[in-house]
Parts: sequence; structure tokens; C-alpha cells
Amino acid sequence: QQQVKQSPQSLIVQKGGISIINCAYENTAFDYFPWYQQFPGKGPALLIAIRPDVSEKKEGRFTISFNKSAKQFSLHIMDSQPGDSATYFCAAGGYNNNDMRFGAGTRLTVKP
Amino acid sequence: DAGITQSPRHKVTETGTPVTLRCHQTENHRYMYWYRQDPGHGLRLIHYSYGVKDTDKGEVSDGYSVSRSKTEDFLLTLESATSSQTSVYFCAISVTSGSLHEQFFGPGTRLTVL
Repeated sequence: QQQVKQSPQSLIVQKGGISIINCAYENTAFDYFPWYQQFPGKGPALLIAIRPDVSEKKEGRFTISFNKSAKQFSLHIMDSQPGDSATYFCAAGGYNNNDMRFGAGTRLTVKP
Repeated sequence: DAGITQSPRHKVTETGTPVTLRCHQTENHRYMYWYRQDPGHGLRLIHYSYGVKDTDKGEVSDGYSVSRSKTEDFLLTLESATSSQTSVYFCAISVTSGSLHEQFFGPGTRLTVL
């Protein structure tokens, strides 16, 4: 039973385009929603995170959009660059994050 | 990698043998976690610790045990390794930043059970 569903599995975007990755969660007790970026052979690195008291958070080219009523959140990467090519994971957790659940991941390829 | 080291980084072992993976942190963080990463499953929590000798089970704890005798070290043990435990194992720590408890991951250990 996957509590966080992520789509698409893979995504190919042209340089300069917008990459959009979507996640849906089930547990309404979740109140912390991070996104991680992972390069081959490395551990996941925290990219950006949001709490449900805001609907959007932007850091540089990365934006999280959050829809509490739909139990969905998404990552938007503006002006995508080849260096953004990586696997992205969404996650959802409670206050202490002792039961954080991850999506299955999206492999993003940005073509020059 | 947030001051986290994992050892070994790669290990090949045979079914039925015991295996211990080590996670070491240098910043005295209270919370530490062990995850496994498998294709199509993302990361799944195995066990976590909220202090010395204080541990609890995660989503996929069967077949694993942990110990934390010092703040800086969190050990994951496979008592009798099985092929289904072939995976990449990540240790993480939790850092409080304002109202957020952010998790940071180590570099991982790739375990192959033949």
C-alpha cells in the first residue's frame, strides 16, 4: 500500500522548459512535504519542503505547489537545465518525520 | 552529506550470513534513521532511533535489527541475510530548522546478497 503516489515515472524536457512532477498522498495527518534530488551513486539531497499552511513555496527555479483539499502537491522546475537531470522523490511525513513515506521517484532528463 | 558517513560503501555477502552496516554522524543529532531504496519503491524506513538505546520500528523492519550505544553511531544488522535484502541502504539524520524537522541522507551502502 503506497501512501504517496508519484508521477510520471520518467520525464524528458528540453533545456529551458518547465519540468512538472506530481504527488498525491493519503494520510491527512501528514504535515511536512519535502522533495529530494538524487544523482547516481549519491544519497538523496533535500531540495525544497513545504508545510500545509501555505499553498506555494518558491526557491530559485524550484517551486512546490500544494493543494490540501485534493491531497496533492507538485514540484515545478523552471528553466530546466541539463544539470537538473536526476531522480526526484517526493515525500510526506508527520511532525517528527519518524514515519516519512516516499514516492517511487521520477527520473528527469533535460536535453540540451 | 551532512556529516554522515556509512561503512562499508559496498558489500557482497551470501545468503544466511550476518551483516552489519554502520552509520556515523559527527554533529550529535538525536534522531537517526535507516532506509532501504529499491527500484519502484522509493525509500522505505526500516528502523529509527530517537536517542542512545532508544529505537523503534519502521515500515519494513522484518529481518533487521538496530543498535545505538553512542549518539554518533547507529548500526543496522541483518541477522541472516536473504536475497530480498539486496538493496541500497541509506542512513539519515534529522535536523530541526524552525518548525521543520529536515532529514539529510548519507552516501549509502550497496548490499548484494547472493
